[in-house]
Amino acid sequence: ETGVTQTPRHLVMGMTNKKSLKCEQHLGHNAMYWYKQSAKKPLELMFVYNFKEQTENNSVPSRFSPECPNSSHLFLHLHTLQPEDSALYLCASSRFRWSGTSGRAYNEQFFGPGTRLTVL
Amino acid sequence: EDKVVQSPLSLVVHEGDTVTLNCSYEVTNFRSLLWYKQEKKAPTFLFMLTSSGIEKKSGRLSSILDKKELFSILNITATQTGDSAVYLCAVVLINTGTASKLTFGTGTRLQVTL
Repeated sequence: ETGVTQTPRHLVMGMTNKKSLKCEQHLGHNAMYWYKQSAKKPLELMFVYNFKEQTENNSVPSRFSPECPNSSHLFLHLHTLQPEDSALYLCASSRFRWSGTSGRAYNEQFFGPGTRLTVL
Repeated sequence: EDKVVQSPLSLVVHEGDTVTLNCSYEVTNFRSLLWYKQEKKAPTFLFMLTSSGIEKKSGRLSSILDKKELFSILNITATQTGDSAVYLCAVVLINTGTASKLTFGTGTRLQVTL
């Protein structure tokens, strides 16, 4: 079991529904991420939050709206989605750390189990 | 455009075989390369590689990075059925403060049969 949890694990919604995905990390990390994983495509970064501030929005349509109330929680609010939005949505978190000798920071990300979303 | 390419896309081997998975990249602002194993849902972290020519090992898994030729390999020796998974390669591009941006490859699906 990872230190990153996501709910719900499965979600089926109609195109006119409004729903939210929730992510919580118990690792003391300070950055959180939303990814979309579609069949036979690479993981696509959607949003990045650094200490609750959004630092990256990867040209994501406005029907996806993220919210990060604190460094442990991340939400993805969904409204008027399209069938092509059906995918696995993964949350991840990371912590800043220095490599030591080189003085540079490298951040491995730890993933939650994902929410399998189906839009009808 | 930043690109991470993994090969092969899928692979079927017999238990006990040794496999080599490849990851090549063309990116700007390279920082490090990560390998993940994804069995059902959450990718689990395997290795982070930052320097060329230094092999990282964990049990039967090992990985090495070549920053001159822009690729990495992941080796699995004496494969077991539990190694069946999708192996993802990702390149860390930006360290804007404390967050990092990862660009992923499509993954290599490995199936180990008895």
